[in-house]
Amino acid sequence: KAGVTQTPRYLIKTRGQQVTLSCSPISGHRSVSWYQQTPGQGLQFLFEYFSETQRNKGNFPGRFSGRQFSNSRSEMNVSTLELGDSALYLCASSFYSRNMDSGANVLTFGAGSRLTVL
Amino acid sequence: AQSVTQLGSHVSVSEGALVLLRCNYSSSVPPYLFWYVQYPNQGLQLLLKYTSAATLVKGINGFEAEFKKSETSFHLTKPSAHMSDAAEYFCAVSGYNQGGKLIFGQGTELSVKP
Repeated sequence: KAGVTQTPRYLIKTRGQQVTLSCSPISGHRSVSWYQQTPGQGLQFLFEYFSETQRNKGNFPGRFSGRQFSNSRSEMNVSTLELGDSALYLCASSFYSRNMDSGANVLTFGAGSRLTVL
Repeated sequence: AQSVTQLGSHVSVSEGALVLLRCNYSSSVPPYLFWYVQYPNQGLQLLLKYTSAATLVKGINGFEAEFKKSETSFHLTKPSAHMSDAAEYFCAVSGYNQGGKLIFGQGTELSVKP
């Protein structure tokens, strides 16, 4: 069973540009969550998508956005990049079961996309 | 609001020694608790989770954790450290209907000396 696939793995952008990151979840997983990981702030939740709808949202500015497609693949976009956006962006997918509270879901993470903003 | 505190950003042990990584949580409702491990240039891998069943949870690679409500703790232990255990470890908390929204601790980097 293929894992969570994130592309690209590494990218370099300059301030003011925008970037789009892609995430393909594990087959059968309909929930996709995104996290930002930095040395200073640690792991912070960005947002979660389920069945093409944003289900949860973290405390990030509107420059950070995402979407999910009908095949559960997800993209996140960061516009007007700032130096502080340099980070490892992690995507995680999970299986949704009606018989279990979603808070107990296990997230399976991808290897991440490392963004450097110059 | 939920939060997680991991005591000690760096822990160093000798190979074969006990590993103890500390995690305390704050939650107004019964929490779900997780330990993840991250190796360099990789994503996070689940070690174990607590979801209100047994308070002593066994995970992969010989790790286990005990949920202690009275101490609001969920410390991770392993009886005998191996060189391959060197990595960063994250404790995380979730709650009812939170889906993919985990609150992570700041992480503890584990070093294992030969």
